[in-house]
Amino acid sequence: KNQVEQSPQSLIILEGKNCTLQCNYTVSPFSNLRWYKQDTGRGPVSLTIMTFSENTKSNGRYTATLDADTKQSSLHITASQLSDSASYICVVSAKGIKAAGNKLTFGGGTRVLVKP
Amino acid sequence: EAQVTQNPRYLITVTGKKLTVTCSQNMNHEYMSWYRQDPGLGLRQIYYSMNVEVTDKGDVPEGYKVSRKEKRNFPLILESPSPNQTSLYFCASSLTGTLSSYEQYFGPGTRLTVT
Repeated sequence: KNQVEQSPQSLIILEGKNCTLQCNYTVSPFSNLRWYKQDTGRGPVSLTIMTFSENTKSNGRYTATLDADTKQSSLHITASQLSDSASYICVVSAKGIKAAGNKLTFGGGTRVLVKP
Repeated sequence: EAQVTQNPRYLITVTGKKLTVTCSQNMNHEYMSWYRQDPGLGLRQIYYSMNVEVTDKGDVPEGYKVSRKEKRNFPLILESPSPNQTSLYFCASSLTGTLSSYEQYFGPGTRLTVT
């Protein structure tokens, strides 16, 4: 069964500090891995998309890494800001046949709270 | 502005009263999808559509219907809502569902309460 596990479930960090979120997956056959940021009550917004051949991708202060061999990904937030307070969701896409399309498996998310 | 819109944003209804949540995108995307999000369960796919007149079940389709008569619209229909369908619903779209790296854009969400 395809699964995506994220850790920790939640964390609190002080403004200006760095943090790293983890994502482990068992999705097969792997197509790509995405990180989303979701503000409370809002729709998720894409941060990064990585395919099998990419092992790191940055979007401003967000840097995602991917180890396809160990099926692990991390999202590193540098110099956190209050606006980084949100849930971060790891989503892994499995290759599908053309008719069915790619299948997305969502992680449960990590809730980040940045305190001043 | 490229966007996915949903209406209504908030809805309180009673058990058994049919309702429709509309979803529209202005990006000429082929692929559209509906998700529900519940505490502790994350996002789960209800139905998706690869293109006009092409729809298929996701992980939790029971109690829902969809249609895709036009490329831009993908309404979610609850024929007889029940309290276990109380949830936060998101519509999403992407250029295509078959190529892997296209970004998926989410709507703002519809919070549904069924009493």
